[in-house]
Amino acid sequence: KAGVTQTPRYLIKTRGQQVTLSCSPISGHRSVSWYQQTPGQGLQFLFEYFSETQRNKGNFPGRFSGRQFSNSRSEMNVSTLELGDSALYLCASSSQGGSNEKLFFGSGTQLSVL
Amino acid sequence: GNSVTQMEGPVTLSEEAFLTINCTYTATGYPSLFWYVQYPGEGLQLLLKATKADDKGSNKGFEATYRKETTSFHLEKGSVQVSDSAVYFCALIDSGGYQKVTFGTGTKLQVIP
Repeated sequence: KAGVTQTPRYLIKTRGQQVTLSCSPISGHRSVSWYQQTPGQGLQFLFEYFSETQRNKGNFPGRFSGRQFSNSRSEMNVSTLELGDSALYLCASSSQGGSNEKLFFGSGTQLSVL
Repeated sequence: GNSVTQMEGPVTLSEEAFLTINCTYTATGYPSLFWYVQYPGEGLQLLLKATKADDKGSNKGFEATYRKETTSFHLEKGSVQVSDSAVYFCALIDSGGYQKVTFGTGTKLQVIP
């Protein structure tokens, strides 16, 4: 079974641009969640989608948005990029998104904002 | 809100030494507790979990016990190996919190031969 796949692996953008990151969950998984990892703030929850609906949202500005498609693939969009958005963005999937379920993480997309 | 506090790293140990990484939490409900491990250049992998008080999670020689009275979930291993060098994250999901995970800041472990 293929794991969680995130594309692209690396991305370089400049301030003010927008970016779209993609995540393909493990086949059969319906829950996809996104995290931002930085040296200063650690791992912070962005949002979670289940069956194309956002179920949970972290404390990030509206510039951060996402969506989930009918095949459970998810995209995350960041508009008007700021230097502070430079981070490793991790996607995780699980079968039903239950609170005691194991999360399967992708290797992440490393975003650098210049 | 929920929070997880881990001991500061890095932790440097010799091979075969005993490992303890402390983790305490604050949660409004009855959370499930997890330890995740991140190897260089990779995403996180679940190491072990416990879903209720007094449960012990274990995997690959690592253990952690869910202590509700002390709100702790300390990670232990009796004899570490060089291959255990990684960053370890303590985490919780509150009951009814779906997949909204609260992570600790991570503890980097370096094991030297």
